[in-house]
Amino acid sequence: KQEVTQIPAALSVPEGENLVLNCSFTDSAIYNLQWFRQDPGKGLTSLLLIQSSQREQTSGRLNASLDKSSGRSTLYIAASQPGDSATYLCAPATSGSRLTFGEGTQLTVNP
Amino acid sequence: GAVVSQHPSWVICKSGTSVKIECRSLDFQATTMFWYRQFPKQSLMLMATSNEGSKATYEQGVEKDKFLINHASLTLSTLTVTSAHPEDSSFYICSAGLDEGDTQYFGPGTRLTVL
Repeated sequence: KQEVTQIPAALSVPEGENLVLNCSFTDSAIYNLQWFRQDPGKGLTSLLLIQSSQREQTSGRLNASLDKSSGRSTLYIAASQPGDSATYLCAPATSGSRLTFGEGTQLTVNP
Repeated sequence: GAVVSQHPSWVICKSGTSVKIECRSLDFQATTMFWYRQFPKQSLMLMATSNEGSKATYEQGVEKDKFLINHASLTLSTLTVTSAHPEDSSFYICSAGLDEGDTQYFGPGTRLTVL
């Protein structure tokens, strides 16, 4: 059974800082890994998807890396802004697009 | 990007009633949709995989007779919480993707409160 751990559980930073969110998973037989953002009381917004054959993906100020063999992924956020405040979820996909979610990292970016 | 909608966005009901939640893929067809449940301060837990034209596949510990799933078309899956009780109060979210292994797009969620 896939287990996903995200560290840290919560993070508070001043605006402008670069930061790294960590995700580890126990079953390395994944198809891909997605990073999502969830605002309070809302659904999920897909940020990045990394296929199992890829090492990283970039979208704007976001960069996600994947080390499948070691069961790790990181989400790098450059020049953080208050609007980045949200919970960030990591979810590796096993067969049939089944996602297993971590507990998330609750990010607060202070102006 | 692809859009997934859910209806209703929130519902409050009395204990013992049944509640139906709809999940629609608005601009693409989805052979498979997924239903998740999220309790406060917790992450999403997969409840079941909804397959168009066939029975849903439920995760261990999820009662198939309580959470009825119907995937009648390639753009619509419904989750019915039968005889809802206060412990069923939760945030229910569905997702769908274009193909297996592709990005999963999530609906906005439905908040169910059972009194």
